[in-house]
Amino acid sequence: IAGITQAPTSQILAAGRRMTLRCTQDMRHNAMYWYRQDLGLGLRLIHYSNTAGTTGKGEVPDGYSVSRANTDDFPLTLASAVPSQTSVYFCASSESQGKGTEAFFGQGTRLTVV
Amino acid sequence: LAKTTQPISMDSYEGQEVNITCSHNNIATNDYITWYQQFPSQGPRFIIQGYKTKVTNEVASLFIPADRKSSTLSLPRVSLSDTAVYYCLVGLYNTDKLIFGTGTRLQVFP
Repeated sequence: IAGITQAPTSQILAAGRRMTLRCTQDMRHNAMYWYRQDLGLGLRLIHYSNTAGTTGKGEVPDGYSVSRANTDDFPLTLASAVPSQTSVYFCASSESQGKGTEAFFGQGTRLTVV
Repeated sequence: LAKTTQPISMDSYEGQEVNITCSHNNIATNDYITWYQQFPSQGPRFIIQGYKTKVTNEVASLFIPADRKSSTLSLPRVSLSDTAVYYCLVGLYNTDKLIFGTGTRLQVFP
């Protein structure tokens, strides 16, 4: 069982370029999340999705967009990358219905915007 | 969502019991308390979750007093591999937002 798969694992991106980080889960979880983690700091929620077809804003949504066309995929798009978006990005999923908030995380995407 | 407060860092030695306390003064009636562990360069991993009193699994114990305004994660006999950041989260059991605080960085020494 793969769980959560993120791609790419790392990327160097020129400022101003568009970039989509991919996230796929095979657990049929309803809820999915995107976080960023800056060096030495905690995780901050960017966007989340309760279920396919719905999305919501987290703590730091500016400069990012998401879509949830189906249950398995939750891509994160940076329309025009800026250096402050240099970070490690984690995708996660959870069942979110009737059970505890045990979330499963991917291995992360290390993004450097230069 | 209830805000949480944890110590920024803690040090311990191998074989000792470590207790990390989290304050959540405005926890709501339906909120659960969940702890995650994160190793460097990895995503967080679920450790334990509870609502009240005590919960124990093969990894840790979670103690929650009657007023539920705080909780304590207890790691018995830590080893070097327990060196990690530990996060306390408080929210509805079926919440669709998982908000992480800054966590507690635990360093275990030989």
